[in-house]
Formats: sequence, structure tokens, C-alpha cells
Amino acid sequence: DAKTTQPTSMDCAEGRAANLPCNHSTISGNEYVYWYRQIHSQGPQYIIHGLKNNETNEMASLIITEDRKSSTLILPHATLRDTAVYYCIVRSWGSGNTPLVFGKGTRLSVIA
Amino acid sequence: GAGVSQSPSNKVTEKGKDVELRCDPISGHTALYWYRQSLGQGLEFLIYFQGNSAPDKSGLPSDRFSAERTGGSVSTLTIQRTQQEDSAVYLCASSLGVSSTDTQYFGPGTRLTVL
Repeated sequence: DAKTTQPTSMDCAEGRAANLPCNHSTISGNEYVYWYRQIHSQGPQYIIHGLKNNETNEMASLIITEDRKSSTLILPHATLRDTAVYYCIVRSWGSGNTPLVFGKGTRLSVIA
Repeated sequence: GAGVSQSPSNKVTEKGKDVELRCDPISGHTALYWYRQSLGQGLEFLIYFQGNSAPDKSGLPSDRFSAERTGGSVSTLTIQRTQQEDSAVYLCASSLGVSSTDTQYFGPGTRLTVL
């Protein structure tokens, strides 16, 4: 699976949009981009995933660039409860139900 | 609805003792995964079960670690002769096991402390 690069940490004001970037310049055609987050003392939580089209669900939006070398997770109105470590993960479509490979992630701090 | 549950939530043991950690996956999920997260480290894959296939044990750090999955449901991770470096949060996850894009759902973890 392709490697991802994320900033170590970010701050966001409560109520503002949080935009978390991820670089995956070696992504291949059959690889999806997944986002998980881990709130302190909890297990990771799935947020969203996409292949090449932008995706939106009740939690977030995922914007993938046309060349698929990078993506941005958007939390439209961040709350204090969104403070967590956010992981961007690339997985092959053909990898079956293989384990997730987590990097260091981005520690997002939402500030009142 | 019931998510992935793990027990105990916390376990303190003495070096050299054996420990068993339990995971109850979401009903109907055929894939089950064990990960661990050491202090200041990322999540590290340990072992995964898919249906009736032989488990993928490639992430187990030593032969002191083993896992079973009985009846395709509950799983137990066993650590024999625990060492202080085994101290970590042990996380279990499950997924439907049907599609390669199935979402993995994680339990709350078991915090293991080896004194």
C-alpha cells in the first residue's frame, strides 16, 4: 500500500472548518484513501473513504485531487469533540480484508 | 446496537505471568483483527482472522503471542511470560469480511500494564 504523509499537528477554532491534508504521491489506480480518527482513550473510528470522486457523509467531506496524489479531509464545523488524531490510510482494492496500516496521523486540537 | 467489545478494559500483571485478552466482534462479521498501540507509538497490526481460513500471524512480535478464534466469533489473544515491553493498549476490530472496502470497527481496547 502507498505511503501517506500528514502534518504532525493542527489547531482549529471551534465552529470553523478543519481541513486536514494528506499526501499520497505514490498512490496507484486501485488504491482507496481512508480516514480514521482516534479520540483519546478510544479505539479508532472510521470517518470516510474514497477512490477518485469527492465524498461526503454525515461526519466529513473528502476531497481528492484530480491526480489523486493528495487529499483533504474537511470537518465543516469543528467541535471540541473532534479533537483527536486523524489517520489517512491508503489501501488496495484487491487487498481483501487485510489489516490497516496506520502512520503517525495528525493531532487535531479544536480550541474554544 | 452492539459494537465490538473487549475485556478486561484494564489489566495489570506481573512480569512473567500469562494474560488472556478477549474480543467479541460485531455479530455477523467474519473478519477479526488484533492491533496494539504502545505509548507514543502508532497502531501496530498483530494478527487477523478471515472466516475459516488460517489466520495471518505475520504481525505477532514473538512466539509468546498467540490468538484463537472460536466458532468464528469470539477471539482470545494470549501473551505468555509477559514482559514490560508488552505494556500497551490492545485493540480488536472486526469487519463484514465480504468486500475489500469493508469498514473495520474497533473496540475500546484493553490497557495492559506489565509491572
